[in-house]
Amino acid sequence: KAGVTQTPRYLIKTRGQQVTLSCSPISGHRSVSWYQQTPGQGLQFLFEYFSETQRNKGNFPGRFSGRQFSNSRSEMNVSTLELGDSALYLCASSLTGRPDNEQFFGPGTRLTVL
Amino acid sequence: GQSLEQPSEVTAVEGAIVQINCTYQTSGFYGLSWYQQHDGGAPTFLSYNALDGLEETGRFSSFLSRSDSYGYLLLQELQMKDSASYFCAVPHRGYSTLTFGKGTMLLVSP
Repeated sequence: KAGVTQTPRYLIKTRGQQVTLSCSPISGHRSVSWYQQTPGQGLQFLFEYFSETQRNKGNFPGRFSGRQFSNSRSEMNVSTLELGDSALYLCASSLTGRPDNEQFFGPGTRLTVL
Repeated sequence: GQSLEQPSEVTAVEGAIVQINCTYQTSGFYGLSWYQQHDGGAPTFLSYNALDGLEETGRFSSFLSRSDSYGYLLLQELQMKDSASYFCAVPHRGYSTLTFGKGTMLLVSP
């Protein structure tokens, strides 16, 4: 079974631009969560989607948004990029989205904002 | 809110045993998870404890005390490949999405 895939793997943008990241969960997994990882703040969750509905949101500004499609694939968008948005963005999927469900992480997208 | 505290760094030698502690504060507790992340890699699941006690999986064990809001990860017979960051985490609002601690970097030396 294929794992979680994320595209692109690396991205360089400039301040003020916007970016869209994509995540394909493991086949059959209905829950997709997005995380931002930085050296200073660690791993912080951005939001979670389940069956195309956002049901969990972390403490990030409205510039960060996402969506999930009917095939469970998910995208996240960051508008008006700031230098502080440079980070590793990780996507994780789980089968049912219950608290005892293991999260399977993708390799991440490394975003650099110049 | 939710918060988790764990040491930032631990060092040990090959073959030794190391314990990584984690204390948490959360409104509504659903369980404590542990994840391993090698430098540049994706986090991978190690264990999940919902009930008090010790869970053993090979060289790794995880312990939970709900009354103390405390857990630990025990790594035995350390190997060089165990050098990585270890994160404790709790489910957010009863879902599988996780709130993570800042992570403990384990350095295993020969």
